[in-house]
Amino acid sequence: AQKITQTQPGMFVQEKEAVTLDCTYDTSDPSYGLFWYKQPSSGEMIFLIYQGSYDQQNATEGRYSLNFQKARKSANLVISASQLGDSAMYFCAMSHTSGNTPLVFGKGTRLSVIA
Amino acid sequence: GAVVSQHPSWVICKSGTSVKIECRSLDFQATTMFWYRQFPKQSLMLMATSNEGSKATYEQGVEKDKFLINHASLTLSTLTVTSAHPEDSSFYICSAREVRTSVGATGELFFGEGSRLTVL
Repeated sequence: AQKITQTQPGMFVQEKEAVTLDCTYDTSDPSYGLFWYKQPSSGEMIFLIYQGSYDQQNATEGRYSLNFQKARKSANLVISASQLGDSAMYFCAMSHTSGNTPLVFGKGTRLSVIA
Repeated sequence: GAVVSQHPSWVICKSGTSVKIECRSLDFQATTMFWYRQFPKQSLMLMATSNEGSKATYEQGVEKDKFLINHASLTLSTLTVTSAHPEDSSFYICSAREVRTSVGATGELFFGEGSRLTVL
């Protein structure tokens, strides 16, 4: 079974600063994908970044980067130069890469960016 | 990019009535769609996997007779909450992945806008 753990219910960050949102995972499958989604108050799920278990390099997408440490089973999201619009819920998720499988989500972290 | 559309966005109904939520993949075919439920301040919990042309697969604890799923075509899945009660009030969100055979099933999972159900 897959499990995602996000231990930070809430985080605060000063505008323009960087912030790291923690995510650890557990799976017995050697082939998997890790995802981060942003959910603003409107409820929509916004895809941020993806990391495959066999990817050699950490994924980056603009101000988002994923600090993938496979041995530690962690996939932390780093947001650089935080903006007020980054305030939202952030969910870490994973899925098997064999077959069309659903995502399993962590409990989420609420990020608040302070001016 | 691929888009998944969900309708309605908001629905308020009386206790005992049934509500249908539609999930459409707009520019790709989805043989499989996933339905999630999210209670306030909680995470997304998988309810069921909707399979085109066959029965849905429900997660443990989800009543299949209460949450009817129909996946009649490659672009449409519907979730019907039958005899809704106040405890069914929640945010329901569907998702689908555009499977690219050259890449496998590692593609991004696209989500609908979600449907907020309030049962009075």
